[in-house]
Amino acid sequence: NAGVMQNPRHLVRRRGQEARLRCSPMKGHSHVYWYRQLPEEGLKFMVYLQKENIIDESGMPKERFSAEFPKEGPSILRIQQVVRGDSAAYFCASSPPSGQVYEQFFGPGTRLTVL
Amino acid sequence: RKEVEQDPGPFNVPEGATVAFNCTYSNSASQSFFWYRQDCRKEPKLLMSVYSSGNEDGRFTAQLNRASQYISLLIRDSKLSDSATYLCVNTGGFKTIFGAGTRLFVKA
Repeated sequence: NAGVMQNPRHLVRRRGQEARLRCSPMKGHSHVYWYRQLPEEGLKFMVYLQKENIIDESGMPKERFSAEFPKEGPSILRIQQVVRGDSAAYFCASSPPSGQVYEQFFGPGTRLTVL
Repeated sequence: RKEVEQDPGPFNVPEGATVAFNCTYSNSASQSFFWYRQDCRKEPKLLMSVYSSGNEDGRFTAQLNRASQYISLLIRDSKLSDSATYLCVNTGGFKTIFGAGTRLFVKA
């Protein structure tokens, strides 16, 4: 059973470009979470999605950031018009569908560098 | 006040030492608690869940005190490979909150 997959692992963008980060959850998992981690800092929750639904986006910046988890295909975190402050590691995690709270399984992350 | 607060660290201990990490949380509605481990530039990995009755996994013991809103992790007989950042996590409803982490260095 493959784990959570993220790609690309490293992404370099110039200021003003768009960044698209992809996350494929573990097989059988329908809950996806995105986190951002700045250097030497902790994980910051961004958004929680289920298939075709955004459940909680309270951690998402109001502008330039969006996320989706379509019925088919991976979850996408999109950052428009990137700025240097967007440079960080972005981790995706998934958990199984359930009314209970399960632990989350993390992907290897995408390291975004904005030049 | 942060929703989840941890000892700032870093903790520098010799091999074989016992080390304890503390974590407090502010959301009394939190339902589930976990300790994760994160190695440098890697993804967090679940270390153990935390139950009110306390739980042990080999050299690791986790405790939860709901009345004091406090979680702890005890590592006995520290190994060099235990060097990492330890993250305290709680969940309630849809929200999952990670602490900033406590860094541990185990030295020979």
